[in-house]
Amino acid sequence: SYELTQPPSLSVSPGQTARITCSADALPKLYTYWYQQKPDQAPVLIIYKDTERPSGIPERFSGSTSGTTVTLTISGVQAEDEADYYCQSSDSSGAYFFGGGTKLTVL
Amino acid sequence: EVQLVETGGALIQPGGSLRLSCAASGFTVSSSYMSWVRQAPGRGLEWISVLYAGGYTYYADSVKGRFTISRDDSKNTLFLQMNNLKTEDTALYFCARDVLDATDATSLGFQHWGQGTLVTVS
Repeated sequence: SYELTQPPSLSVSPGQTARITCSADALPKLYTYWYQQKPDQAPVLIIYKDTERPSGIPERFSGSTSGTTVTLTISGVQAEDEADYYCQSSDSSGAYFFGGGTKLTVL
Repeated sequence: EVQLVETGGALIQPGGSLRLSCAASGFTVSSSYMSWVRQAPGRGLEWISVLYAGGYTYYADSVKGRFTISRDDSKNTLFLQMNNLKTEDTALYFCARDVLDATDATSLGFQHWGQGTLVTVS
């Protein structure tokens, strides 16, 4: 099966840049999606197709890709960005996969 | 407005069965790619099953052979039949809609989620 690896946690100070990576263990890599989940809430899509941002998502959220690693970048982190972040992809058979999640702490 | 409402979660003994429902509004379930995603207490998201618009289904290994995804088009509702439940199935179960790009049918991601329904196996 397909596996997506994320760092379990990341801490940044307000105003700094947070970069959360998601590494795939196999090729070809299909598109990657990113979700933000705050406590007791459903996940919210913040990046789709590696780099695209849905309407209503702040411009400080961006996505990039290099080889089998994709990165979610949050520029100018704000206190409200403290949350869990998950990457997600799928394989050619139609199954979906989530990374283990990264807990972002804003110091 | 798109809305997904899950129901059916409960406390149930190991080996038991449960059926979850996800009532949809604002779009047609039968034309969509619908998934169930679960989250064990304090853990991450785990995708478990998808029902494609054409009727094709796919399951994660952790639930294959025990869970069945289906839909009732007349009720615009998605279901998850869970049999032979195990303690490790304890989780909040979300239904989610994968929205497709109309130009090339690629995924635009899980844009719509319900609030989840809690299943406790104990």
